[in-house]
Amino acid sequence: DQQVKQNSPSLSVQEGRISILNCDYTNSMFDYFLWYKKYPAEGPTFLISISSIKDKNEDGRFTVFLNKSAKHLSLHIVPSQPGDSAVYFCAASPHTGTASKLTFGTGTRLQVTL
Amino acid sequence: EAGVAQSPRYKIIEKRQSVAFWCNPISGHATLYWYQQILGQGPKLLIQFQNNGVVDDSQLPKDRFSAERLKGVDSTLKIQPAKLEDSAVYLCASSLFPGGTGTSGAYNEQFFGPGTRLTVL
Repeated sequence: DQQVKQNSPSLSVQEGRISILNCDYTNSMFDYFLWYKKYPAEGPTFLISISSIKDKNEDGRFTVFLNKSAKHLSLHIVPSQPGDSAVYFCAASPHTGTASKLTFGTGTRLQVTL
Repeated sequence: EAGVAQSPRYKIIEKRQSVAFWCNPISGHATLYWYQQILGQGPKLLIQFQNNGVVDDSQLPKDRFSAERLKGVDSTLKIQPAKLEDSAVYLCASSLFPGGTGTSGAYNEQFFGPGTRLTVL
């Protein structure tokens, strides 16, 4: 039962263009969503998050959009840089104030080309 | 500030053998997590500790997997006996407290170690 889905296993974008990574979820109890970035041979690192009370959160080149009715979120990277090439995981949590168990998607490998 | 340390980085064993992984979290982090990441999948939480107590071990296969955090600092995860399907990267993470957000409402980030890649032949 895959509660968090990233249907695109890979994405290739030219440097300077926008990268859009998508994530869908099925569990209505999720109310906090996160994106993690992972380089080879390293652990995932936190990138950006959004609470279900918001529909947009922005941090520099990274913006996450949440559409609760569609149970869909997306990560926009503008402009994309070669250093952004990594695997991006979407994750969701049912709680924000207590023990929060993260459920991860399968990841999308982003390649930013010159 | 030192990050989450894990050892070994790589381990190859034969099925039915035993293996143990070690994790040292960031200093002062009370909460420690072990995740299993099978190739092509996202990390899956195996067990969560708050200090030396277990908060969540609902996805830990307890017939073969065990974990402990005796002094509330470093932790070991053991598999005995290993099966072919245990081949994965085992990630350790830590955070200041167990909740998704701290008292200020800021996200309570989980910091991950580099992982241990286990191959079971």
